[in-house]
Amino acid sequence: KQEVTQIPAALSVPEGENLVLNCSFTDSAIYNLQWFRQDPGKGLTSLLLIQSSQREQTSGRLNASLDKSSGRSTLYIAASQPGDSATYLCAVHPWEAAGNKLTFGGGTRVLVKP
Amino acid sequence: DAGVIQSPRHEVTEMGQEVTLRCKPISGHDYLFWYRQTMMRGLELLIYFNNNVPIDDSGMPEDRFSAKMPNASFSTLKIQPSEPRDSAVYFCASSGLAGNTDTQYFGPGTRLTVL
Repeated sequence: KQEVTQIPAALSVPEGENLVLNCSFTDSAIYNLQWFRQDPGKGLTSLLLIQSSQREQTSGRLNASLDKSSGRSTLYIAASQPGDSATYLCAVHPWEAAGNKLTFGGGTRVLVKP
Repeated sequence: DAGVIQSPRHEVTEMGQEVTLRCKPISGHDYLFWYRQTMMRGLELLIYFNNNVPIDDSGMPEDRFSAKMPNASFSTLKIQPSEPRDSAVYFCASSGLAGNTDTQYFGPGTRLTVL
């Protein structure tokens, strides 16, 4: 059974510092990996999706890497801003599953202090 | 597009009562998912549908939970009878627009409190 872990559970950084968020998964047979952002009291917003054949994806200040063999993904947020404060979740889509059955990590709660 | 719409946004009920949560997916999406989020267990998939047909309901906790999707634009998640341990935020998500089948779009959630 696939397990997804995100450590640390919470992170606090001063504005301007780069953020590094970690995600690990136990089964490397994945179809893709996604990073989501969740603001308090809101739903999840998809940030980046990395296919299993890719090593990284970039969108603006966000960069996500994927190392399938070691079961790890990292989300980098450059030059953090207070507006980046949120919970970030990673989720993996198993290779053999039909449809889009994602397994989520527990999330990392980020606070960017002005 | 208005995105995924869920109602109600908040629900407070007493133990033993029936609760019905509603979801309208994004038009054209052919997958619909129901999730539950709690502090203890995180985000869990309860059930998902493809073209209105339930594909995997292995996450439904027990027979008190049921979900239906009578048409492509509407789904319900029902809890009968409700219990305090059902208190959680329930999310609906949809995906499947051509060319972007793997990204799921989440609704704002329904916060359920069972007293």
